[in-house]
Amino acid sequence: EDQVTQSPEALRLQEGESSSLNCSYTVSGLRGLFWYRQDPGKGPEFLFTLYSAGEEKEKERLKATLTKKESFLHITAPKPEDSATYLCAVPGNNFNKFYFGSGTKLNVKP
Amino acid sequence: NAGVTQTPKFRILKIGQSMTLQCAQDMNHNYMYWYRQDPGMGLKLIYYSVGAGITDKGEVPNGYNVSRSTTEDFPLRLELAAPSQTSVYFCASRGQGDNQPQHFGDGTRLSIL
Repeated sequence: EDQVTQSPEALRLQEGESSSLNCSYTVSGLRGLFWYRQDPGKGPEFLFTLYSAGEEKEKERLKATLTKKESFLHITAPKPEDSATYLCAVPGNNFNKFYFGSGTKLNVKP
Repeated sequence: NAGVTQTPKFRILKIGQSMTLQCAQDMNHNYMYWYRQDPGMGLKLIYYSVGAGITDKGEVPNGYNVSRSTTEDFPLRLELAAPSQTSVYFCASRGQGDNQPQHFGDGTRLSIL
């Protein structure tokens, strides 16, 4: 069964303190990985899609990378507005279903 | 730019009552999904649909029913509400193509007392 695990569950950073979030998965065949950001009281908002090992995507202070077994979301010099829960998801065999990790709650202090 | 619209935003039900959570999308997406999110947990798939008239079960379908009579609407029905169904419910839609992300509504917060 496909499974997605995210770590850490929560991360507290000072503004400007860079760090990384991890998303590991067990799937029968990598079909891609999606990152989302979720603000309190809101639905998840799409950030990135990664398809193949070695692929990288960037958006402002965020960079997502992908290996055969895991993905990292690197946050460089974060700001308080980056505080949110970050979710990753992998598609099922036929892309009809998606399996989500439990998320990493990021808190960036000024 | 409505995207995915969910109603109501909040609801309190008594045990044994029934209700329908509404979801509508205006992007002409074929795929639609219902998830529940419990505190500190990720999204668990309840039901999904690949097009009008076609629905299928997800990971946690027990206690719920869906229908998809139009491309735009995907209502979720709770019959005989139970405290275990207290959660935040999210609806999402997705366009055709493997690289298409899901677009989410802002959720319905449901409490069963």
